[in-house]
Amino acid sequence: EDKVVQSPLSLVVHEGDTVTLNCSYEVTNFRSLLWYKQEKKAPTFLFMLTSSGIEKKSGRLSSILDKKELFSILNITATQTGDSAVYLCALNMNYGGATNKLIFGTGTLLAVQP
Amino acid sequence: KAGVTQTPRYLIKTRGQQVTLSCSPISGHRSVSWYQQTPGQGLQFLFEYFSETQRNKGNFPGRFSGRQFSNSRSEMNVSTLELGDSALYLCASSLTSGGASTDTQYFGPGTRLTVL
Repeated sequence: EDKVVQSPLSLVVHEGDTVTLNCSYEVTNFRSLLWYKQEKKAPTFLFMLTSSGIEKKSGRLSSILDKKELFSILNITATQTGDSAVYLCALNMNYGGATNKLIFGTGTLLAVQP
Repeated sequence: KAGVTQTPRYLIKTRGQQVTLSCSPISGHRSVSWYQQTPGQGLQFLFEYFSETQRNKGNFPGRFSGRQFSNSRSEMNVSTLELGDSALYLCASSLTSGGASTDTQYFGPGTRLTVL
């Protein structure tokens, strides 16, 4: 069964800390790996990763994919209280190229304390 | 560009009733996918529509159905509601279906359905 596992399940840090969120998977046939941030309602898009070893960066956030070891990490440096959210990792599956289907991990709940 | 919109935002129904939820994708996007989010199961794929055709379906009973109109707007319907159908229903739009690997799915704010 296609599976995405995120760790840790939850994390409490203080402002200014650096955090690393992990996403591992047991799927090989996917088009891309996506990271989303979910605060109260809609997941908002952070990154899409398609190639192994190429880091994507956006401000204090960065992410990388390792297709050989089957994992991705999301790094957040100099955390702020506004980073508090659930971070979701998802794989966009490849069913012969004919569809979009995201398989989500359980998410990591990040709480940043002032 | 306006984002993905969903209506209604909140719904309260009783067991046995049916419900219809609506999703308008980002202008120009032709693929709409639906997801159910619950505390126990997380985010689970329901189905995807592209060019008015269902492309893929998740492991949900036949009480869950959907359709897409020529303007790419989509509706999903749940008949004979059960308590376990209480969830946040999210739709996501993307430009294509299974096309470019760089095609991202963008989510709407969701409809919170409570079944009493």
